[in-house]
Amino acid sequence: GAVVSQHPSRVICKSGTSVKIECRSLDFQATTMFWYRQFPKKSLMLMATSNEGSKATYEQGVEKDKFLINHASLTLSTLTVTSAHPEDSSFYICSAARLAGVYEQYFGPGTRLTVT
Amino acid sequence: SQQGEEDPQALSIQEGENATMNCSYKTSINNLQWYRQNSGRGLVHLILIRSNEREKHSGRLRVTLDTSKKSSSLLITASRAADTASYFCATAPSGNTPLVFGKGTRLSVIA
Repeated sequence: GAVVSQHPSRVICKSGTSVKIECRSLDFQATTMFWYRQFPKKSLMLMATSNEGSKATYEQGVEKDKFLINHASLTLSTLTVTSAHPEDSSFYICSAARLAGVYEQYFGPGTRLTVT
Repeated sequence: SQQGEEDPQALSIQEGENATMNCSYKTSINNLQWYRQNSGRGLVHLILIRSNEREKHSGRLRVTLDTSKKSSSLLITASRAADTASYFCATAPSGNTPLVFGKGTRLSVIA
C-alpha cells in the first residue's frame, strides 16, 4: 500500500504558541488530503478536506483561523494549530487520498500534540 | 456527525475465542472499511468491502455487509493477545467523499 508520513510524531508546546504538522505522501501524488482529530479513547473526527492548490473545506465546528491548512503540493499538506490551548491537545491524523474510481485513503501514523 | 456505530463498545475475551464486532450506519454507502488501532498509534487498514459485496475474508478476519440492514460485522477467529486493539468501521457515503468513522470497539484478548 501507499505510504504516508507525518512529522513530528509527538510535540509538546506551550499555550499561545503555534505548531505545524506535516503530512506527506511518499510514493504517490495525493489530489486530496484529509485531517482528522482523535481524543483519547474516542473515534476519529474529520476536521477538513484539503485539495492541492485550493482552500481547505472545514467541517462544521472547526475554526479555520485556528487550524490553518496548506496544501501546496500533491505530496505535502500542513496543519498549523495557531495560538494553541490545552484543549487543543489531541492526536491528529492525516490521510492522503487518490481518486481511482473511489477514494483510496492512506493514513499517516498520527501526531500527538500536548499543549501545556 | 458520526456515520458508524460499533457494538459492543468494549469486548474482553480469552485467547483462542472468536471476537465479533458489529457496525451500523445511517446512510447509503459506496464501501465500508475496518481499521485497527493500537493504543496511541496510527490506523491499520484491515479490509474493505464494497456495497455490492456480502462477505469477505482475509486470514483470520471475516467481514459481512448487509446493506438492507445498514450493518456490518467483523469476526476475528482464534484470537490472540496481539489482537488487543481498538477496531473501527469507516464508511464512504459515496466514491468521492472522505471516510466517516464509527466510535470503535475496544477489544481485549486475555492470554
